[in-house]
Parts: sequence; structure tokens; C-alpha cells
Amino acid sequence: AQRVTQPEKLLSVFKGAPVELKCNYSYSGSPELFWYVQYSRQRLQLLLRHISRESIKGFTADLNKGETSFHLKKPFAQEEDSAMYYCALRGPDGSSNTGKLIFGQGTTLQVKP
Amino acid sequence: NAGVMQNPRHLVRRRGQEARLRCSPMKGHSHVYWYRQLPEEGLKFMVYLQKENIIDESGMPKERFSAEFPKEGPSILRIQQVVRGDSAAYFCASSPPGTGLSYNEQFFGPGTRLTVL
Repeated sequence: AQRVTQPEKLLSVFKGAPVELKCNYSYSGSPELFWYVQYSRQRLQLLLRHISRESIKGFTADLNKGETSFHLKKPFAQEEDSAMYYCALRGPDGSSNTGKLIFGQGTTLQVKP
Repeated sequence: NAGVMQNPRHLVRRRGQEARLRCSPMKGHSHVYWYRQLPEEGLKFMVYLQKENIIDESGMPKERFSAEFPKEGPSILRIQQVVRGDSAAYFCASSPPGTGLSYNEQFFGPGTRLTVL
């Protein structure tokens, strides 16, 4: 079964500390992996996708197929990074490919001053 | 482009009433997805529609829930005879048509928070 697991509900760090938000997935095939972010009182928005291999707002994520992980990292957290982060997967589901996203439960990142 | 619009933002219904949630996709987007977020959980896919067609409704509860995306007007998620367990945030996302088997980025609306008393 397709599944995305974010083991931490809350991650609290001090400003300037490194951040790693964990994401593991279960999928038989080659999925697309994403990180979405929701800042306070804003809508969910795409942060980055693994196929882009880019860094957004200092965040990076590497797809590790051996460990089936897609952890989100930032070397130095900023207070404005405080938000809810969702890892998501997209891929063919059996014989269909409808583009639907499968989300993890989300991790709240709290960056303290 | 105003982004994906959802209304109402908050909806309160009593048990047994009907709830209608509306989603206006971004201009040029013909694909609409509905997701539900129960308290303390992540978003869960419900249904995927293109204009006048339901493409994938594998995440929809078998009873009381229906969705449509007419040729003109917004997509509507309809919940009949609501129960307390339907209380959740309902998100709509839209995307432009993909090419071949690829799918484009989904842009999310602000959500409708349904409370069933």
C-alpha cells in the first residue's frame, strides 16, 4: 500500500540550529516526492519536489530509494520557517495514474528565537 | 490570477443537513482534486475531476458524498445528511492539464472548515 510517514508531530529548534524533518514512504515503483508547507493563516503551497533537485528558502531534500526516505533539511533554521510541513507522494496507483497526492500526517516546525 | 477560491470558508451544519462546498479553480486549470483533513491527520485524497467528468473517486465515502465539476461554474462537493464525523477541513486543489502521463503542480485553496453540531 502507498503510505507516507512523518514520525514527528512537532519539531522544536532554536534559530540558527540545523533542521531535519523526516519523511519515509512506502511505494512499489518510482514515485514523485514533494514537500508542502503551510504558514500560519496561509494556504498549503509547494515547497520543493525531488525531480527539481533545487534548494528553496535554504531547504533541500534528497530522495533515498534504498531507505525510502525524503527528509527535508536546512542547515540554519530561521524564525520565519515556523510552519506545518507535509511530505507527499504521487505516482501510478495500480493501472491508473490520476495525479492524486498521498500526504503524511505533517510536522509542525517551531523555530524559537 | 486570484488563485483557487473556496467558499464558504467556514460552514456549520446540524446533523442530518446537507453541506455544499464550492471550489473555483485557477484560470486555465481544468483538473480539480478534493482532499479532506480530519483533526490531527494529514490530507486524504477524496476525488479527482475534470470538466464534466469524475476521473477517480476512490477516496470518496460510498454514501452521502458526491462531487461534480460542471462545464460552467465551480466544482461542488456535496455531503448529504451530515454526521459529526464529517467535521473536517476540506481542501480543493487545481492544476492545468498534464501532458501524457505527467501531472502538473496542484495549487491549493484555503479550505472550507465544516463543523457538524
